[in-house]
Amino acid sequence: DTEVTQTPKHLVMGMTNKKSLKCEQHMGHRAMYWYKQKAKKPPELMFVYSYEKLSINESVPSRFSPECPNSSLLNLHLHALQPEDSALYLCASSPGSQDQPQHFGDGTRLSIL
Amino acid sequence: GENVEQHPSTLSVQEGDSAVIKCTYSDSASNYFPWYKQELGKGPQLIIDIRSNVGEKKDQRIAVTLNKTAKHFSLHITETQPEDSAVYFCAASKRTDFNKFYFGSGTKLNVKP
Repeated sequence: DTEVTQTPKHLVMGMTNKKSLKCEQHMGHRAMYWYKQKAKKPPELMFVYSYEKLSINESVPSRFSPECPNSSLLNLHLHALQPEDSALYLCASSPGSQDQPQHFGDGTRLSIL
Repeated sequence: GENVEQHPSTLSVQEGDSAVIKCTYSDSASNYFPWYKQELGKGPQLIIDIRSNVGEKKDQRIAVTLNKTAKHFSLHITETQPEDSAVYFCAASKRTDFNKFYFGSGTKLNVKP
């Protein structure tokens, strides 16, 4: 079992829908991450929150909107997605200091119809 | 930025044999190197990591070596078991930008019983 919990595990949505992905950690970590992973590829960084502030946005389209309500929670709001956005979305957390690993959840498998 | 190359892309070994996966990096400022194992339907899980002030680290059947001069690091798995079958990713990060992990392209390891 991972210490980073993501919900839902699977999500199917149409291109006009609005949905949210949720992530939670209780390790006291101060950095949280969203990654996108396509089949047979490494995780691709989307956003980083450090001490609840957005510190990195890897030029992600505005149809993806992150939110960090508190140090334990991370959301990713989805709106007007495209079929190419179908992927595994991974959340990770880390202590937020140098030379420390990121701990990943098991992801949300997203399919856009 | 940083460019991490990983080889081989697939590796098939007999149970009980050793497996070696190699990664090279381009930026001499990289100083932290984690390795992740990703099983089907799961998120990446940290299996071992090494910091640049260390040349080798071992944890039971798993070891990692780092050659800073040549800018390469390797994962060694001894006495492989079928449950070692998974995709393995190496990564590198820099002290000046420690929230960004640069991932290798992944190695699919198949351990045949």
